[in-house]
Amino acid sequence: NAGVMQNPRHLVRRRGQEARLRCSPMKGHSHVYWYRQLPEEGLKFMVYLQKENIIDESGMPKERFSAEFPKEGPSILRIQQVVRGDSAAYFCASSLETGGLQFFGPGTRLTVL
Amino acid sequence: SQQGEEDPQALSIQEGENATMNCSYKTSINNLQWYRQNSGRGLVHLILIRSNEREKHSGRLRVTLDTSKKSSSLLITASRAADTASYFCATSRGDDMRFGAGTRLTVKP
Repeated sequence: NAGVMQNPRHLVRRRGQEARLRCSPMKGHSHVYWYRQLPEEGLKFMVYLQKENIIDESGMPKERFSAEFPKEGPSILRIQQVVRGDSAAYFCASSLETGGLQFFGPGTRLTVL
Repeated sequence: SQQGEEDPQALSIQEGENATMNCSYKTSINNLQWYRQNSGRGLVHLILIRSNEREKHSGRLRVTLDTSKKSSSLLITASRAADTASYFCATSRGDDMRFGAGTRLTVKP
């Protein structure tokens, strides 16, 4: 039973480019959470999605960031026109049900040059 | 990725009592973090303790770290019903971050 998968593990982008981060939840999980971690800091919640719905996006920056979790395929976190401050590790987690324990992926490390 | 162990898996106490949760890990670390998950919400960062620290306090929270035993504990004093949640520890080592399976705390009023 594969765990949560994220790809790519490392992503390098130049300022102004787009970054697309993918998260495949554990089999049977329909709830996905995205977090951002700056160096030496804890995770900060960004967005919580269920299949085809955004449930809570209170942690998402108002501009340039978007997330989706389509009926088929992985959840995508999309960052448009990246800036150096977007450099961070982005983790996703999935759970089986609302309030269920979250299982984390290995993270994607985004570096913006 | 999921690694590390937390115990107990579930803990039920009365309001006003103290709650202690433990976390053990396998490799050397740079820091260890504790998080809280309210039902249906994302994780909330509670406290970070570095590998060269032994104890840290934040309000009613007290975290200890014993690197020789590769374990940490989270103590919540004078618990309240609002403390009911799942609590996770996570360890960081370089670029690698790993999470425990969580402890479900129920505080009865």
